[in-house]
Amino acid sequence: DVVMTQTPVSLSVAIGQPASISCKSSQSLVGTSGKTYLNWLLQRPGQSPKRLIYLVSKLDSGIPDRFSGSGSETDFTLKISRVEADDLGVYYCLQGTHFPYTFGAGTKLELK
Amino acid sequence: EVQLVETGGGLVQPGKSLKLTCATSGFTFSNAWMDWVRQSPEKQLEWVAQIKDKSNNYATYYAESVKGRFTISRDDSKSSVYLQMNSLKEEDTAIYYCTWTLWGWGQGVMVTVSS
Repeated sequence: DVVMTQTPVSLSVAIGQPASISCKSSQSLVGTSGKTYLNWLLQRPGQSPKRLIYLVSKLDSGIPDRFSGSGSETDFTLKISRVEADDLGVYYCLQGTHFPYTFGAGTKLELK
Repeated sequence: EVQLVETGGGLVQPGKSLKLTCATSGFTFSNAWMDWVRQSPEKQLEWVAQIKDKSNNYATYYAESVKGRFTISRDDSKSSVYLQMNSLKEEDTAIYYCTWTLWGWGQGVMVTVSS
């Protein structure tokens, strides 16, 4: 199985400051189609996960452009340019290239 | 509006069975690839199973941890996807979510396996 290693485990950020989360996969996430099925999800307290980004860098509808995704092959990053109060929760990376799909262990974003 | 509603969870003894249902609306279900994902009490997310659409022969895929015990199925006429869970183990205790293309998620249903 592809192991997704997410860092840091937790992040304390002040409102208006940037945040960055890393996700590294144990093997390349480039699929046979040439696409890289790397997703970022946010789970707010008491809610279901919500996808923010797919195919490494594509923002889902309604997701503010304060969020951005980058990376390739095995090394990926989620960045929030200016953290807002609504951003708190646990962020997960998820690879959908290889079965079984696998998640990172999560990064808890807290407000400083 | 996309909606996914899971039902069928509950408390069950080890070795017993349970069937989860996910009723959907707001998108063309017959073309949709559907997944079940679970979240353990420790909050770790684990992908469980996927079923593709008719054009892909309703192909199914499973996590190794549930292969041979769980069965994913669908009824396009009811826009619903199911997860039949047999020979349940305590480690299957989790919140189970159905998801459409990993974008739309249900509210989840709790399954507790305990004697």
